[in-house]
Amino acid sequence: AQTVTQSQPEMSVQEAETVTLSCTYDTSESDYYLFWYKQPPSRQMILVIRQEAYKQQNATENRFSVNFQKAAKSFSLKISDSQLGDAAMYFCAYRSISGGGADGLTFGKGTHLIIQP
Amino acid sequence: EPEVTQTPSHQVTQMGQEVILRCVPISNHLYFYWYRQILGQKVEFLVSFYNNEISEKSEIFDDQFSVERPDGSNFTLKIRSTKLEDSAMYFCASNGKGQVPLLLWNSPLHFGNGTRLTVT
Repeated sequence: AQTVTQSQPEMSVQEAETVTLSCTYDTSESDYYLFWYKQPPSRQMILVIRQEAYKQQNATENRFSVNFQKAAKSFSLKISDSQLGDAAMYFCAYRSISGGGADGLTFGKGTHLIIQP
Repeated sequence: EPEVTQTPSHQVTQMGQEVILRCVPISNHLYFYWYRQILGQKVEFLVSFYNNEISEKSEIFDDQFSVERPDGSNFTLKIRSTKLEDSAMYFCASNGKGQVPLLLWNSPLHFGNGTRLTVT
């Protein structure tokens, strides 16, 4: 079974600064998807960014980018120019592509990101 | 943008009672999911549903749980005899805009706002 580990229960960053949230995972599969989801106080889980394991190029989405190190099984999220609206719980998630992908995401425990004005 | 909607936002029930949590997935999605998040813990997969049957389920999804798509729009999670430890946030999600199952992993999940279930 896959596991996802987020070692930072809480992170704090000054507005406009850059912050990196770490995530490591364990799997025996070679192809899979990795995701970062944001859960603001409104509770909705919002997809921030995703990475296909077979792609070497790191995914970027505006101010959000990832550092995907497949050999190290590491998938960190970098948020540049942090904004107050970025304050939320951030969950790293893994998804297998075997079995057609109808199995669920495996989530980490989350990192609570605080933005200091 | 279409959203997954869940009702109610908060449900309080007594131990031993049955509850039904309701979800309306995005209309052209084909795969539906339930997840739960016990307070302070990580989000956990419960079950996925496709073509009117369960596709996958976790070990959490035991006989007290059931899912149903009673009509063309709703997707429900029933907990037959609630226990204190069932208290959690329950999230519905959907994906798969008409894609063949093999490409499903390429389709990101869209989550609802969740239902907070409190069992007393």
